[in-house]
Amino acid sequence: AQKVTQAQTEISVVEKEDVTLDCVYETRDTTYYLFWYKQPPSGELVFLIRRNSFDEQNEISGRYSWNFQKSTSSFNFTITASQVVDSAVYFCALSESLTGKSTFGDGTTLTVKP
Amino acid sequence: SAVISQKPSRDICQRGTSLTIQCQVDSQVTMMFWYRQQPGQSLTLIATANQGSEATYESGFVIDKFPISRPNLTFSTLTVSNMSPEDSSIYLCTIEDWGGRENTEAFFGQGTRLTVV
Repeated sequence: AQKVTQAQTEISVVEKEDVTLDCVYETRDTTYYLFWYKQPPSGELVFLIRRNSFDEQNEISGRYSWNFQKSTSSFNFTITASQVVDSAVYFCALSESLTGKSTFGDGTTLTVKP
Repeated sequence: SAVISQKPSRDICQRGTSLTIQCQVDSQVTMMFWYRQQPGQSLTLIATANQGSEATYESGFVIDKFPISRPNLTFSTLTVSNMSPEDSSIYLCTIEDWGGRENTEAFFGQGTRLTVV
């Protein structure tokens, strides 16, 4: 069975601070996909990134960066110079390669204060 | 990228009634899924909508309560039957386009916020 753990339930930072959201996963599959999604207060789910299990390269997209480490089964997400608009719930998810089913973590609520 | 249209975006329903949620994709996709997000909770997979055959339900979800149709590769419906207040949730449709492993991305509809009174 797959499992995704986001140990941080809530994080509060002041604008311009850097913040890292942790994600640890468990799976027996050798091929899988990892995702991060953002859910703002409006409720829609916004896709941020997908990473396959064979690609451990870190990725940077603007103020966002992701650190994938298979050795520790972690896929952490860092927001640099946070902004108030980053306030949202962030979900990490693990997807089975064959079925496409995703298992979601419980989410981390990020509040960025001005 | 695919575009997913989900409707209604929200509804308030009386207990004991049923609501059908529609999910339309602007291109043919292999996989479509329905998720539920209860208030303050994470997303839980309800079922995989299979084109031309019965949906595959996850543990804890049954066809009588959540009948699903998928008549073609661009459309699916989820019905929440005989609703109770416990069914108040956001219901989300998602796809995964496996047209190429490296091009795989997941997209979600905007969700249906259901309140049962």
